[in-house]
Parts: sequence; C-alpha cells; structure tokens
Amino acid sequence: DQQVKQNSPSLSVQEGRISILNCDYTNSMFDYFLWYKKYPAEGPTFLISISSIKDKNEDGRFTVFLNKSAKHLSLHIVPSQPGDSAVYFCAASGTSGTYKYIFGTGTRLKVLA
Amino acid sequence: ETGVTQSPTHLIKTRGQQVTLRCSSQSGHNTVSWYQQALGQGPQFIFQYYREEENGRGNFPPRFSGLQFPNYSSELNVNALELDDSALYLCASSFGGGDTGELFFGEGSRLTVL
Repeated sequence: DQQVKQNSPSLSVQEGRISILNCDYTNSMFDYFLWYKKYPAEGPTFLISISSIKDKNEDGRFTVFLNKSAKHLSLHIVPSQPGDSAVYFCAASGTSGTYKYIFGTGTRLKVLA
Repeated sequence: ETGVTQSPTHLIKTRGQQVTLRCSSQSGHNTVSWYQQALGQGPQFIFQYYREEENGRGNFPPRFSGLQFPNYSSELNVNALELDDSALYLCASSFGGGDTGELFFGEGSRLTVL
C-alpha cells in the first residue's frame, strides 16, 4: 500500500523553464511534508518542507504547494538549471513520535541545457 | 562540522550470512534513523534510535536489529540475509526524537546478497 505516490518516474525540462514535480498521499493523518534531492552516489539532501497548517512555502527558486483537500503537493523549481538534474523524493510524516518518514518512489528530473 | 558517514560503502554477502553496517551521526545530533532503499524505490524506514534506545520501527522483521552507542554512532545488523535484502542502506541523523525536521543522510552502504 503506497501511501505516498509520485506517479511520474521522470521529467525533462528546458533550462530556464519551470519544473513541476507532483506527489499524492493517501493518509489524512500526514501533517508534515518534505522534498529531498538525490544525486547518484550521494545520500538524499533536504530541499524544502511544509507543514499542513500552510499551503505554500518558498525558498529561493523552490516553492512547495500543499492542497490538503486533494491530498496533493507539488514542488516548483523556477528557473530550472542543469544542476537541478537529480532524483526528487517527496516524503510525509504524521504525529507518530518519530522521524518515520514515508517516501515516494522518486521522480528523475533532467534539465536540458 | 562533520557530516553523516557510513561504512562500508559497498559489500557483497551470500544468502544466510550476517552483516553489520556502521554510521557516525553528524556532530551535535543524538538521533539516528536507518532506511532501506531498494532499486527503483524510495527509502523505507527501518528503525530509529534516540539516546541509545529504539524509538520507532518500520515494517521489518526482527532479523533487522540495531544499536546506538554513547557517542550516538549506530550499527545496523541484518541476520540470515535474503536476496531481497540487496539494497542501499541509508543512515540519517537528526537532533531530538521528535516527529519532524530535517534528516541529514549519509551516502549509504550498498549491500548485494548473492
């Protein structure tokens, strides 16, 4: 039972354009969401997070939007750069008392120069 | 500030053997979480250690066990290895055994079981 879904395994975007990565979740108890970026042969690195009390969080070129009624979040990268090419994972957490994050399967973003 | 380090980076074992993976947490962090990432999948939570005690466990059998030491470094032990245990094992550290916040991941230990 996949509680966090990233339905697009890959995405290609032209440099300078917007990249939109999507994530859906099924568990209404999730109240904290994160995006991680992973380069080959490296561990995932934190990108941005959002609490369920907000519907938007922005950090430089990265913005995460949360639609609680649709159980959907998205990561916008504007403008996209070739260095953004990586696998992006969304993750969710509930009030379980641990850092037990549930990760999606990832979306491989390729930014074309 | 020293980041999360894991060892070994790669190893090959045969079915039925046992393996120990090691993790040094980031300076100042007292919580270590272990994740398993199978090929083409996202990381799956194995368990977390906070102040040397197990503080939450995912859906993994008891042959997956762990330890945390007084210096907050940690070990993941897997007994009776199965072919499906082949994966990248990620260690992540954080401060505080709470629900949320950023996890700092190491580069992982890639285990191949033949």
